[in-house]
Amino acid sequence: GESVGLHLPTLSVQEGDNSIINCAYSNSASDYFIWYKQESGKGPQFIIDIRSNMDKRQGQRVTVLLNKTVKHLSLQIAATQPGDSAVYFCAEVLYNYGQNFVFGPGTRLSVLP
Amino acid sequence: DSGVTQTPKHLITATGQRVTLRCSPRSGDLSVYWYQQSLDQGLQFLIQYYNGEERAKGNILERFSAQQFPDLHSELNLSSLELGDSALYFCASSVMGENTEAFFGQGTRLTVV
Repeated sequence: GESVGLHLPTLSVQEGDNSIINCAYSNSASDYFIWYKQESGKGPQFIIDIRSNMDKRQGQRVTVLLNKTVKHLSLQIAATQPGDSAVYFCAEVLYNYGQNFVFGPGTRLSVLP
Repeated sequence: DSGVTQTPKHLITATGQRVTLRCSPRSGDLSVYWYQQSLDQGLQFLIQYYNGEERAKGNILERFSAQQFPDLHSELNLSSLELGDSALYFCASSVMGENTEAFFGQGTRLTVV
């Protein structure tokens, strides 16, 4: 498949360890945030979302934390598996008549056996 | 499978030519988004349509245009193509309203030679 973002920041973790992927967003008016996973040759896939009135949201093996004071998002993946290897993007969603999804630069997660 | 269908999957064309990329949104989604993803870049928002009407515009070149038809499918037209237009082009769809996630298609890989 095609490689996305050859020069992306890379996070390498051992299989079974927890992963933390960070993201800074730019607009303090953003009130909705999403994490997407993009595997090689595929489109971005929704993982988890969080609204600005929340600090934390948990899904299956994933947790998103939102710190509005410093405009920071993180995605925590528990017990990282080989299938988690992908590029992860955060997106902040601005709503002004239309929805505008602004994506971060992405982080490549590499799971080591 | 996200339910968003993009055609063609791959397209190779010469500089100066014009191409049309097609997107069928998920059933029931009225909103369609177009994104460009170059090899070393993240997802760049191009344009959003809702029920046939343009709603938000991002960094879309004047050589590019889009429309959404009454059956809600959308087309992205790229003209006077340049080598730098080579990229993955993604379509996404969502239900309209604030704070709703977008579901992405598999993308069209455009190569301009």
